[in-house]
Amino acid sequence: QSALTQPASVSGSPGQSITIPCTGTNTDVGSYNLVSWYQQYPGKAPKLLIYEGSKRPSGVSNRFSGSKSGNTASLTISGLQAEDEADYYCCSYTGSSSNVFRTGTKVTVL
Amino acid sequence: QEQLVQSGAEVKKPGASVKVSCKASGYTFTGYFLHWVRQAPGQGLECVGWINPNSGGTNYAQKFQGRVTMTRDTSISTAYMELSSLRSDDTAVYYCARDLKQWLVTYSLDIWGQGTTVTVSS
Repeated sequence: QSALTQPASVSGSPGQSITIPCTGTNTDVGSYNLVSWYQQYPGKAPKLLIYEGSKRPSGVSNRFSGSKSGNTASLTISGLQAEDEADYYCCSYTGSSSNVFRTGTKVTVL
Repeated sequence: QEQLVQSGAEVKKPGASVKVSCKASGYTFTGYFLHWVRQAPGQGLECVGWINPNSGGTNYAQKFQGRVTMTRDTSISTAYMELSSLRSDDTAVYYCARDLKQWLVTYSLDIWGQGTTVTVSS
């Protein structure tokens, strides 16, 4: 089964930019443009931030951006704010009508 | 507004089954695939599978095949997920979530239910 790797935690100071990588393989991230990113606060449902690698749903701040290079997708948060402190998950289609999330990255605003 | 409202928390014994409901409102229920995702305490997100509310077609993650059944009742815009042979490691919050694009499975989930806590304990 595919496995996507994310760092367990990333931190930054207010105003800084941080990037969360999501490393997959050439059978998931590298093969499909179906990577999505979610933000989740404790005890709350996840929120879609990015879909198809780099597209933002309406209403999502343009401080969030997505990109992909090879087998690695990335989420960048610009102008880090205290409210960005949350867990972030990437999800990729893996073929054969399957997808996989990863364990998530905790973002801490210092 | 578009929303998904799930049924309440459940406590089950090992070996039992649980059925969680997810009622859609504010959009055309049959137009969007519905996914089920779970999250064990302190853990990440895990896909259980999806259902096409229009056709009733389903796709289950390999891990849950044989134990999960997803159905829907279009007359009341409600989807169901039933998980059988429950084990303690099935203890989790179960979410339903709508796929972003109409008529397609994109695995981008834009509307989420509030979650249903399922506790499996003897």
